[in-house]
Amino acid sequence: GAGVSQSPRYKVAKRGQDVALRCDPISGHVSLFWYQQALGQGPEFLTYFQNEAQLDKSGLPSDRFFAERPEGSVSTLKIQRTQQEDSAVYLCASSSRETDQPQHFGDGTRLSIL
Amino acid sequence: QQQVKQSPQSLIVQKGGISIINCAYENTAFDYFPWYQQFPGKGPALLIAIRPDVSEKKEGRFTISFNKSAKQFSLHIMDSQPGDSATYFCAASSSGGGADGLTFGKGTHLIIQP
Repeated sequence: GAGVSQSPRYKVAKRGQDVALRCDPISGHVSLFWYQQALGQGPEFLTYFQNEAQLDKSGLPSDRFFAERPEGSVSTLKIQRTQQEDSAVYLCASSSRETDQPQHFGDGTRLSIL
Repeated sequence: QQQVKQSPQSLIVQKGGISIINCAYENTAFDYFPWYQQFPGKGPALLIAIRPDVSEKKEGRFTISFNKSAKQFSLHIMDSQPGDSATYFCAASSSGGGADGLTFGKGTHLIIQP
């Protein structure tokens, strides 16, 4: 596909369960970003990959959040022992890392923790 | 600490009018300022972006005005149309957009009345 693809689009989990969210970036994009968007708020940065290297994880809210991109393409955001405050839309974006090249966003995964 | 402050939170404009959304930033290391448009259930989509070395950039009906000394920038939508009704986010980053996480404002919910 031409755009960033995220799956699943919706995920409902019980508090305490682990979840995994997938992102397929635009082919050839070196940079990959994860953001968390709470209802009615702007996206907040979680983590950044350049190829397979996780260069910035300063936005991850706790050690329950873990992201990987083992082959420099598809990325997975994992949340362990989910809590109600984890309910949000999780957005993935990719970029070619060239100067002034924009971040292209997927439509996100809406996570609801019951 | 909110690094990008956006106003107003919501805005109603008549069809054909001018919509104006303002943002202010604190971090002088920011050097890339994009605006994103988001429809319900969709990811943010880039509208237009500016670097601090220019004071204005225009693309079609969308114009960014940038005031480096005041650390403020704004989006103007000329001849606003009902299809422009969406949530708009300003953002900023410090490495040209492709290699650094974006810091978003809280968003402006724009309604264009026919």
